[in-house]
Amino acid sequence: AQKITQTQPGMFVQEKEAVTLDCTYDTSDQSYGLFWYKQPSSGEMIFLIYQGSYDEQNATEGRYSLNFQKARKSANLVISASQLGDSAMYFCAMREGRDDKIIFGKGTRLHILP
Amino acid sequence: GAGVSQSPSNKVTEKGKDVELRCDPISGHTALYWYRQSLGQGLEFLIYFQSNSAPDKSGLPSDRFSAERTGGSVSTLTIQRTQQEDSAVYLCASSFRTGVHNEQFFGPGTRLTVL
Repeated sequence: AQKITQTQPGMFVQEKEAVTLDCTYDTSDQSYGLFWYKQPSSGEMIFLIYQGSYDEQNATEGRYSLNFQKARKSANLVISASQLGDSAMYFCAMREGRDDKIIFGKGTRLHILP
Repeated sequence: GAGVSQSPSNKVTEKGKDVELRCDPISGHTALYWYRQSLGQGLEFLIYFQSNSAPDKSGLPSDRFSAERTGGSVSTLTIQRTQQEDSAVYLCASSFRTGVHNEQFFGPGTRLTVL
């Protein structure tokens, strides 16, 4: 079974609009961490935001926030006021407490339209 | 300080040849990961090293793939008898220590092309 599921292979969003990238995960661990990474066309992987399973507040980093719904096992990334430079692949990932391995979803390609 | 470095940045080889890819993690990082990313695809986990633990090799796709990490620092991923389907970007990442909250820092990758 997939540990990380990103159901949106591609999205087109108008500049300055907010965008939500979906991510659901599957784990039986109580302790785990959720990450989002951005991969522009240059290929580098850029860490965006982290949410711990015990964190009560949703994580925020500038224009990025993580909508963490633990009961639904959902960790959606919200980008406010999108910019042209946000066009990239976005990967959701999970690190389980049991083995420290980080598993990535298949990604969502985001296109910001001028 | 320096980030994760990988060499070579590009490698073109002929089918059947062996290749070695190198990763230099961030100094002090105890965990090191190898991933493979085929064109337009997500990251496929290959292998994970953590100091003082046996490596997690569960992601290696075949016995043609092997990796080692010497002295808890530099890692080499070796692919023997390369096949065309091995063509991909091979990404290395390191993280400071164990624990679910430690994010990975990625290197720039090695783009492998098998002709």
